[in-house]
Formats: sequence, structure tokens, C-alpha cells
Amino acid sequence: QLHLQESGPGLVKPSETLSLTCTVSGGSISSSRYYWGWIRQSPGKGLEWIGTIYDSGSTYYNPSLKSRVTISVDTSKNQFSLKLTSVTAADTAVYYCVRPSGGHFDYWGQGTLVTVSS
Amino acid sequence: DIQLTQSPSSLSASVGDRVTITCRASQGISNSLAWYQQRPGKAPKLLLYAASTLESGVPSRFSGSGSGTDFTLTISSLQPDDFATYYCQHYYSTLTFGPGTKVDVK
Repeated sequence: QLHLQESGPGLVKPSETLSLTCTVSGGSISSSRYYWGWIRQSPGKGLEWIGTIYDSGSTYYNPSLKSRVTISVDTSKNQFSLKLTSVTAADTAVYYCVRPSGGHFDYWGQGTLVTVSS
Repeated sequence: DIQLTQSPSSLSASVGDRVTITCRASQGISNSLAWYQQRPGKAPKLLLYAASTLESGVPSRFSGSGSGTDFTLTISSLQPDDFATYYCQHYYSTLTFGPGTKVDVK
């Protein structure tokens, strides 16, 4: 049974970069045909898909965030990460790491609240 | 972008009630739709995908139907654990979630 756990700062200053890591346990992050992703949830915008990384190394990002997002995988640590640059208060949300499966999401981390404030 | 709307936005029901939630897409999405349940303070949990396929371990009182633009999630007999918010999500193009339907106690 896979377990996903987010970690990272809970407070980020405006204009800085939000960085989160997801640690995967209960399985190898580099199993054949792996996909990993991030979703966020804020009161104002609801649930929002941020992006997905595939085993090929290809990444797909929400067009609304594409210019500011990078998702990467570190197979040696069984982790994947999210970087979101130039954050504003609108990026305040609970961030979930997820495992995509054919377009839907079958495993979710517990979520971590990130607040953007000076 | 293909948008999703859900109705109602909230509903009140009692244990044992049959509950139906509707999700409508702004364009046809075939059967590329999933449903999730979210309890307060928890991550969403996948219930169904491909509009009507039940995720492993999900009780059979949950069912889904629809294709194209109109979809339905039905809970045949509401249980205490089912008071939660339900979201639809399409994966036909840019992955998008609906705004949610909150089911609370009547």
C-alpha cells in the first residue's frame, strides 16, 4: 500500500519560491510506468491540478501555472518535488502530492498548508 | 478549457436516504470522469472513475453513470460515514475539478 507524505515550509514570503517534497513509501517511485503529481486546494479556487510527471521524464502542467511550476523526481530518495516561483497570496492553499492513474488520482498525501505572507 | 458544474451545491439528508449528485461538463468528455469524497481535514478519496467504475474497496452503495456532458453519482442508502463533500473531476483535457457538493445531516 503506497503512502505519500508532503513536507516543506508552511510559510513563504510573496515573490519567493514555494518548494515542497513528497516522500513515497510502500513502493518504489521508479516502478514501471510511474506517474506522480501535485494538486492544491484553496477556499477561493477549490481543487486545482498543478501538474504531473511521467516515467519518461515528461511533465505536464496546468496552463494557468505552467510558467511558474517545476515538478521533478529524485529516484535515489524515492521522492518527487514541486517548485512554484513568484508566489502571491493567491497561492495560499493546501498542497497534495498524488499518484495519477489514467487521469484520475488514486493515492493522495495528507496535504500540507502553505501560506504566502510577509 | 472544459468546465464542470455540480448540482446541488449542498444538500441535507438522513441516514438511509438515496442521494443523487449531478455533474455537468461544458463540452463532451466521453466517460473521462471521476468522483471523489472528501471529509473535513482529509484528502479527497477516489470513489469512481471512467464515470461508472468503482474503485477497489469502495462500498457498492456508491454508483456512477453518464457519458458525454451529464453525469450522476448516486449513494443508494446514505451511511453516517458518507456525510462529506463530493467532487467530480474530468480528465478529457486539462484536468479539472467541479466545485463540490456538500452532503450534511438533515
